[in-house]
Amino acid sequence: EDQVTQSPEALRLQEGESSSLNCSYTVSGLRGLFWYRQDPGKGPEFLFTLYSAGEEKEKERLKATLTKKESFLHITAPKPEDSATYLCAVLGFNKFYFGSGTKLNVKP
Amino acid sequence: KAGVTQTPRYLIKTRGQQVTLSCSPISGHRSVSWYQQTPGQGLQFLFEYFSETQRNKGNFPGRFSGRQFSNSRSEMNVSTLELGDSALYLCASSSGPGADTQYFGPGTRLTVL
Repeated sequence: EDQVTQSPEALRLQEGESSSLNCSYTVSGLRGLFWYRQDPGKGPEFLFTLYSAGEEKEKERLKATLTKKESFLHITAPKPEDSATYLCAVLGFNKFYFGSGTKLNVKP
Repeated sequence: KAGVTQTPRYLIKTRGQQVTLSCSPISGHRSVSWYQQTPGQGLQFLFEYFSETQRNKGNFPGRFSGRQFSNSRSEMNVSTLELGDSALYLCASSSGPGADTQYFGPGTRLTVL
């Protein structure tokens, strides 16, 4: 069964405390893996697209990596404004599969 | 370049009523997908339209329907509303069918009383 699993469900960090979010997938015919950030009551905001194992993308304090079975979103020295839910999505043959998200809370 | 717009942003309806939500994709984008988001179920795929044709459909009852117009704008309709239909309805646009990145709108918050 095609599915995307994100862990942990929730993560609390102190400001400056680096960590990683995980997205594992069992989707046939991977055509792309996407990370989004979603603030409460708003639509998901696009962050990264990864297409092949070994690929990495960076944006400010965020770095996304991809292997054949999973992706990691590394957050370096997070700030309170990084608090949000981070969603992972995988594009299979003709359909997007979304994970349930990781809710990140960064305390000052 | 303007982003994806959705109207209305908020709706309150009662059980049994019907509702129509609207989505205007990013200029030049021809593919529109709709999702339902609830705290318990996360993002659930409803359907995808490209060139006025439904390309994909999720596992939702027939009360949920949609259409796309020649200018790529899309509408979704929910008839005979149930309490469980309360959710954030998100529209996403992309340049083509099942291709590349989807960009989301701000969503329509539907509350069914």
